[in-house]
Amino acid sequence: DTGVSQDPRHKITKRGQNVTFRCDPISEHNRLYWYRQTLGQGPEFLTYFQNEAQLEKSRLLSDRFSAERPKGSFSTLEIQRTEQGDSAMYLCASSLESVRAFFGQGTRLTVV
Amino acid sequence: AQSVTQLDSQVPVFEEAPVELRCNYSSSVSVYLFWYVQYPNQGLQLLLKYLSGSTLVKGINGFEAEFNKSQTSFHLRKPSVHISDTAEYFCAVSEGSQGNLIFGKGTKLSVKP
Repeated sequence: DTGVSQDPRHKITKRGQNVTFRCDPISEHNRLYWYRQTLGQGPEFLTYFQNEAQLEKSRLLSDRFSAERPKGSFSTLEIQRTEQGDSAMYLCASSLESVRAFFGQGTRLTVV
Repeated sequence: AQSVTQLDSQVPVFEEAPVELRCNYSSSVSVYLFWYVQYPNQGLQLLLKYLSGSTLVKGINGFEAEFNKSQTSFHLRKPSVHISDTAEYFCAVSEGSQGNLIFGKGTKLSVKP
């Protein structure tokens, strides 16, 4: 069990650029979640995969946000045309058909 | 819609003192409840969870929480805190069968020597 891995840990980008984050869940975990955490707030749910199927995406913050999990293993979260308001910590979590989710260390995005 | 309220944004305490971090939730259905801890620049680590059964739940690092359905509360307690307990603590409720979590805004616990 190597834990949930997220890459990169930190990303600084200019406003208007596209960014992509990667999440590698614990192997054989079939559920994968993305959350966003802004300063002074708890994590906010964005989207959820069960295997390769994206079963909930209505909470993605805008149509600039998209996520994929093409083979049911790793996942990517892309933000197009970044805005300063997108600056936050993006967290990934995985679980195995259970109510215990394991979180990665997150990717901290700064949009300048 | 479900929601979680953490009543205290910051709790300063002295080392070896007891502490209680308060959490209230709103839900019209049965819920699963969680406490997570986040150390600086780290991800979230599960402290304990309530799924069913005994309302007193024991977790890691000497923490425990009590589920109170009538008061819709799930307060976290520790009888004697250590400096190393300084961190931010999040209460969360599981939203439906998907398993995604609704979090409170967090409580920053600061343990002073």
